[in-house]
Amino acid sequence: NAGVTQTPKFRILKIGQSMTLQCTQDMNHNYMYWYRQDPGMGLKLIYYSVGAGITDKGEVPNGYNVSRSTTEDFPLRLELAAPSQTSVYFCASSYPGTSNTEAFFGQGTRLTVV
Amino acid sequence: SQKIEQNSEALNIQEGKTATLTCNYTNYSPAYLQWYRQDPGRGPVFLLLIRENEKEKRKERLKVTFDTTLKQSLFHITASQPADSATYLCALDFSGYSTLTFGKGTMLLVSP
Repeated sequence: NAGVTQTPKFRILKIGQSMTLQCTQDMNHNYMYWYRQDPGMGLKLIYYSVGAGITDKGEVPNGYNVSRSTTEDFPLRLELAAPSQTSVYFCASSYPGTSNTEAFFGQGTRLTVV
Repeated sequence: SQKIEQNSEALNIQEGKTATLTCNYTNYSPAYLQWYRQDPGRGPVFLLLIRENEKEKRKERLKVTFDTTLKQSLFHITASQPADSATYLCALDFSGYSTLTFGKGTMLLVSP
């Protein structure tokens, strides 16, 4: 199994540009998440989804949008990139209700906004 | 708001010793607490979950305790090895919707 796959791995954006970070999982998990991690900081939740068609804001949603049209995919959209969005972005998925409720993470997307 | 505190300073220990990492949290106790390992340039990897009604959980050389009175979890790695060097993250679900709040992590360095 591939698990959680994120693309791209690296990206440099100019201020004001837009992009979509892709995330797909093949574990049939109903919950999916987007986190950002800044140097020396913990992961902060941007958005999450409990199933296809359902999304909700996390701790730091401003400047981002998400959609969940299928169980497998959970893309994160940056509409007007700003330097404050320079970070490493992690997508994760989980299946609450199982004994562990662990989250599976992708390898991350390192984004630099200049 | 909910806070999670982990030692921000790196923990340096010698191979073979036991590493002990601390996670403290504020406000109400969540139903469970998780520990993850993160290597440089990689996503976090799940290690252990402990529930509020469990005092201790073990998995191979790993042991986690959960004291809901002290609002604290301790994470132990016995017989540590250089390959255990990584950042260890504590995570809790304060929302009840399986959305995790992470601590900043503690870097562990195990020297031969």
